[in-house]
Amino acid sequence: KQEVTQIPAALSVPEGENLVLNCSFTDSAIYNLQWFRQDPGKGLTSLLLIQSSQREQTSGRLNASLDKSSGRSTLYIAASQPGDSATYLCAVQYNFNKFYFGSGTKLNVKP
Amino acid sequence: NAGVMQNPRHLVRRRGQEARLRCSPMKGHSHVYWYRQLPEEGLKFMVYLQKENIIDESGMPKERFSAEFPKEGPSILRIQQVVRGDSAAYFCASSPAVPGGSTDTQYFGPGTRLTVL
Repeated sequence: KQEVTQIPAALSVPEGENLVLNCSFTDSAIYNLQWFRQDPGKGLTSLLLIQSSQREQTSGRLNASLDKSSGRSTLYIAASQPGDSATYLCAVQYNFNKFYFGSGTKLNVKP
Repeated sequence: NAGVMQNPRHLVRRRGQEARLRCSPMKGHSHVYWYRQLPEEGLKFMVYLQKENIIDESGMPKERFSAEFPKEGPSILRIQQVVRGDSAAYFCASSPAVPGGSTDTQYFGPGTRLTVL
């Protein structure tokens, strides 16, 4: 059974800190892994997509890594800002079909 | 190129009524997926459709829920005789017919927030 777990469930940090969000998955035979951002009452914004053959992807202050053998991915946010406050969702695809989502990490960056 | 469109964005129904949620995929996409997000939870897969075919409905509740993606027009998620537990955000995603590139994935719509009174 494919399960995706995100730790921590919630995180509160002062502005400027670097932080790491964790995602683990039980089945390592993934097709790809994607990180999304969700603002309250809003839809999903895709942040980074990592194909199964890749180890990491970077976009601006965001860096996502993938370690298939250990079933883990991390999302690193550098120099956090209040505008980064949102829920971050990790999602795994095992074929070109459905995503399995974690429950998310709710991030609050305090000014 | 317009993204995935969903309507209505907000829907209020009383218990026992029917809810119809619509999803128009991105141009050129023929695969549609529906997900449900309960409050404070992640998204859960419901159903995967191609034009006129249901490919995977393993996440659909056995009763009251149905989905279609006709040859013409949007995909419809229908919930009959709604109950309070159906209150959630329903997201639609679409993907191209063939996963031909490294960036091919699902693109999500803004969601429909269903409230059952």
